[in-house]
Amino acid sequence: DIQMTQSPSSLSASVGDRVTITCRASQGINNYLAWYQQRPGKVPKLLIYAASTLQSGVPSRYSGSGSGTDFTLTISSLQPEDVATYYCQTYDSAPQTFGQGTKVEIK
Amino acid sequence: EVLLVQSGAEVKKPGESLKISCKSSGYSFTNYWIGWVRQMPGKGLEWMGVIYPGDSDTRYSPSFQGQVTISADKSISTAYLQWRSLKASDTAMYYCARQSAIGRFGAFDIWGRGTMVTVSS
Repeated sequence: DIQMTQSPSSLSASVGDRVTITCRASQGINNYLAWYQQRPGKVPKLLIYAASTLQSGVPSRYSGSGSGTDFTLTISSLQPEDVATYYCQTYDSAPQTFGQGTKVEIK
Repeated sequence: EVLLVQSGAEVKKPGESLKISCKSSGYSFTNYWIGWVRQMPGKGLEWMGVIYPGDSDTRYSPSFQGQVTISADKSISTAYLQWRSLKASDTAMYYCARQSAIGRFGAFDIWGRGTMVTVSS
């Protein structure tokens, strides 16, 4: 089974800062990588799929990059509404593992 | 509009059985994988498994294989998650979610609001 490892597990940044979250797969996943946002008490929301394709309606300050086993989610200018936990997930094959999550807070 | 409507919160005793549902609308139910995700209180997302309603092909996480059953009824566009004998450790929020690609695996693009299952004596 593929393991997904996110880092850091949490971070605190100021409004307007550039934020980067990393996700590493235990083997190649053909860029079948998604990023989700879960605000406190809310349902998860798809942000990015296929490693770098922005889901419709998601603000352009979000971007995804990477290939092979190493992937990155970037928020170019952190906003107060971005306070959430972010998860990566591979859907290359079953089981389609989630990373353990990265909690983003405002400093 | 594509929607997934989940059944309501449940409170059960250990050893009881349970089947929760996820009714789909607004798209062709048989052409997309649909799955279940567990979130224990204060914890992260866990992928439980998915089903392709077109032919009932079902895949499970090893962590949940044998512990739950995922099924689907094409006639009413509804997916199910079932337990034969609940444990206190099954207490969690359970989300159903549709995968985005027609006929193959994809990201979870549409989510239900979740069903909270509480198991307590």
